[in-house]
Amino acid sequence: RKEVEQDPGPFNVPEGATVAFNCTYSNSASQSFFWYRQDCRKEPKLLMSVYSSGNEDGRFTAQLNRASQYISLLIRDSKLSDSATYLCVVRGMDSSYKLIFGSGTRLLVRP
Amino acid sequence: SQTIHQWPATLVQPVGSPLSLECTVEGTSNPNLYWYRQAAGRGLQLLFYSVGIGQISSEVPQNLSASRPQDRQFILSSKKLLLSDSGFYLCACLGDTEAFFGQGTRLTVV
Repeated sequence: RKEVEQDPGPFNVPEGATVAFNCTYSNSASQSFFWYRQDCRKEPKLLMSVYSSGNEDGRFTAQLNRASQYISLLIRDSKLSDSATYLCVVRGMDSSYKLIFGSGTRLLVRP
Repeated sequence: SQTIHQWPATLVQPVGSPLSLECTVEGTSNPNLYWYRQAAGRGLQLLFYSVGIGQISSEVPQNLSASRPQDRQFILSSKKLLLSDSGFYLCACLGDTEAFFGQGTRLTVV
């Protein structure tokens, strides 16, 4: 089983739609969780951290369910510029603080 | 905040040739450093990480090696490249709350 699993998509949605991505992780000791965005042929960039209580940043909402080892990202009112690959990332708590990436979910927002 | 310099941006190398990719970090000291590889259409695979000078941990046995000769320098190497080494190589540095990435090196082995 992969340490971090995501639906690869692609999700093809019209502008203005609401779309949700899911991610599961296998290591129950994982402590930190993130969503990164990666544009084609570019490096990943942090979209938002995911906190236990859930957090919102504008049109983006992230949630964490530790019991189910599940992370989600909700994008409301999709824009064309949201088209990208969204990477779920989990960080361990050993001295390496390794970041383990999911394979990403591709989002295509159409006019 | 940290800045990561990674070069070259693109590289085309023949099979069997050596490889050296360099990554340097500014704006921090004693960072945790990482090398990732991303194959076309795939996720990021952690190759190596380093928690200090001379300390290298390998995640995936393969044709590559890494070294950290200085606190803010991380080098990815190969003595003989394989076709399967083609991919997008990313150096990353762990900050207080997030990882910062270099702009990546797109390696094509021909």
